[in-house]
Amino acid sequence: GAVVSQHPSWVICKSGTSVKIECRSLDFQATTMFWYRQFPKQSLMLMATSNEGSKATYEQGVEKDKFLINHASLTLSTLTVTSAHPEDSSFYICSAREGRQGIEKLFFGSGTQLSVL
Amino acid sequence: GQNIDQPTEMTATEGAIVQINCTYQTSGFNGLFWYQQHAGEAPTFLSYNVLDGLEEKGRFSSFLSRSKGYSYLLLKELQMKDSASYLCAVLDSNYQLIWGAGTKLIIKP
Repeated sequence: GAVVSQHPSWVICKSGTSVKIECRSLDFQATTMFWYRQFPKQSLMLMATSNEGSKATYEQGVEKDKFLINHASLTLSTLTVTSAHPEDSSFYICSAREGRQGIEKLFFGSGTQLSVL
Repeated sequence: GQNIDQPTEMTATEGAIVQINCTYQTSGFNGLFWYQQHAGEAPTFLSYNVLDGLEEKGRFSSFLSRSKGYSYLLLKELQMKDSASYLCAVLDSNYQLIWGAGTKLIIKP
């Protein structure tokens, strides 16, 4: 099956620093990638939808200036958490859509656990 | 509004069968997914249904009734490693995934 690689798996940083998370589709072209955030014991929450070559679409309540998303190629999207604060500590997961005729599938990265001290 | 309902938690015995239900109300429908998620890990794809009926895949089966807005995930011959959260998600008319809160499945020996 299709593989989505997400790095880093975990990161610990000081408050005020920026953190970049990469999401790569390894064996398919992903025209659309999604970024999710999951707080403990809660379901995944969609943060933004990223389309290759265009600006990301952010969900209501998600600060686009804080969570910068770049989808520069069909195989790579990045999420940068700028000036991270402890309340940004969460599990971040990306997914890529492989669209084939009549079939829709999402493949997930392995997630990034962000801890902001 | 859009809504996905599934039980919060279920308990079953090793070797038994369990059915996890999911009902949905969404703006449009382009398919229903079931994902498995172990604590601290990303969800993994289990099944995708877009037509009515039962899809069987090994020990796991998924059923869909679009007219009823209803799906279930059936797990047979339960194993301890099946202890996880099971997420139901619907792809709406805008191709956005609408997620349920997940069902935590506890398997007892």
